[in-house]
Amino acid sequence: QKEVEQNSGPLSVPEGAIASLNCTYSDRGSQSFFWYRQYSGKSPELIMSIYSNGDKEDGRFTAQLNKASQYVSLLIRDSQPSDSATYLCADAGANAGKSTFGDGTTLTVKP
Amino acid sequence: GAVVSQHPSRVICKSGTSVKIECRSLDFQATTMFWYRQFPKQSLMLMATSNEGSKATYEQGVEKDKFLINHASLTLSTLTVTSAHPEDSSFYICSARSSTGFEQYFGPGTRLTVT
Repeated sequence: QKEVEQNSGPLSVPEGAIASLNCTYSDRGSQSFFWYRQYSGKSPELIMSIYSNGDKEDGRFTAQLNKASQYVSLLIRDSQPSDSATYLCADAGANAGKSTFGDGTTLTVKP
Repeated sequence: GAVVSQHPSRVICKSGTSVKIECRSLDFQATTMFWYRQFPKQSLMLMATSNEGSKATYEQGVEKDKFLINHASLTLSTLTVTSAHPEDSSFYICSARSSTGFEQYFGPGTRLTVT
């Protein structure tokens, strides 16, 4: 079992809709969680980090963390075609060592 | 945000030659750098973790004698692919993390093609 699990998708939403991306993790000691966006042929780009239970909002993005249930989610409001990419969930590990990445969820936003 | 550069962005080399890829953190000191490899439409695969001034820690299955990593300063790490073969053709990406945070910042990647 992978330590960080994501639905591979693909996830398709119409422009303007809310895209919901989910991630579960197995290491109960993990304290830090991240969402990265990777466009095709490019390297990942950090878009959100979250450390505490609850929601964290940044523009159209909201990250949600529930440590009791060991899941992290990313909501993208008012989705745009430019949001079409693969979204990677990662944690920093109990000892803040190397991060463990999920395999990513591919999102397509249709105009 | 933190900026990480990689050089070269693209390289083509002949089988049997060696290629060096540089990764630099431009506006922060990177105590830890990571090297990843990604094949088309596949997940990121961590190759090794390097801490400044220490030997790199390689993931299982990654040949340390083939992929030489040097993290000589707080802003520079290098990956040398020795005696490259066509199966080493891939997208190599570095990332860097500072001592003050847990986020990783990725370089733009190096696309290696071995002919």
